[in-house]
Amino acid sequence: GQNIDQPTEMTATEGAIVQINCTYQTSGFNGLFWYQQHAGEAPTFLSYNVLDGLEEKGRFSSFLSRSKGYSYLLLKELQMKDSASYLCAVRPLTGGGNKLTFGTGTQLKVEL
Amino acid sequence: EPEVTQTPSHQVTQMGQEVILRCVPISNHLYFYWYRQILGQKVEFLVSFYNNEISEKSEIFDDQFSVERPDGSNFTLKIRSTKLEDSAMYFCASSEAGQLESSYNSPLHFGNGTRLTVT
Repeated sequence: GQNIDQPTEMTATEGAIVQINCTYQTSGFNGLFWYQQHAGEAPTFLSYNVLDGLEEKGRFSSFLSRSKGYSYLLLKELQMKDSASYLCAVRPLTGGGNKLTFGTGTQLKVEL
Repeated sequence: EPEVTQTPSHQVTQMGQEVILRCVPISNHLYFYWYRQILGQKVEFLVSFYNNEISEKSEIFDDQFSVERPDGSNFTLKIRSTKLEDSAMYFCASSEAGQLESSYNSPLHFGNGTRLTVT
């Protein structure tokens, strides 16, 4: 099965950098995704890691260590609009589709 | 940018009634999914669909649930006899490919969801 842990809430200041951690235990691993979800809206794709290391995409970066079952999402130059829930999701090594198991999400609040 | 569209945005129904939630996936995508999110809880996988058949389903997706692709564009989720605990936001998603194909990192694109309230 899958077990994914993320902090429930985080608060950061506009313009700052924040790191959201995710740890996972899985019986088979084939990729980790980060999604952003504003309240009442759909999750939107942010990043994907399947190999160890850092993937950078503008203000967002994501890191993966498969041996540690660990990932983080790094958000730089925080803006008020970044206030949202950030979902870590793991894709297991089963089936042929893109079934994802989501964590409970980290609610990020960006303050002035 | 192409997007997944879902209708209706809100649906209120009485316990025991049948509901059909509708989705139009992105046109060149081959894999389709339903997820649900009970208020305040995590997004949960229900079912994936490929080549006109279910490829995987979760334990939530029991005999009360069914999916169908009635034509070349729509993808529907039917709940035959709704229960109070079916109240949730239901998200449809699609992806260009699955993990066994070359573009295996193709992410899921989610629709804006249908909020189902069972009274």
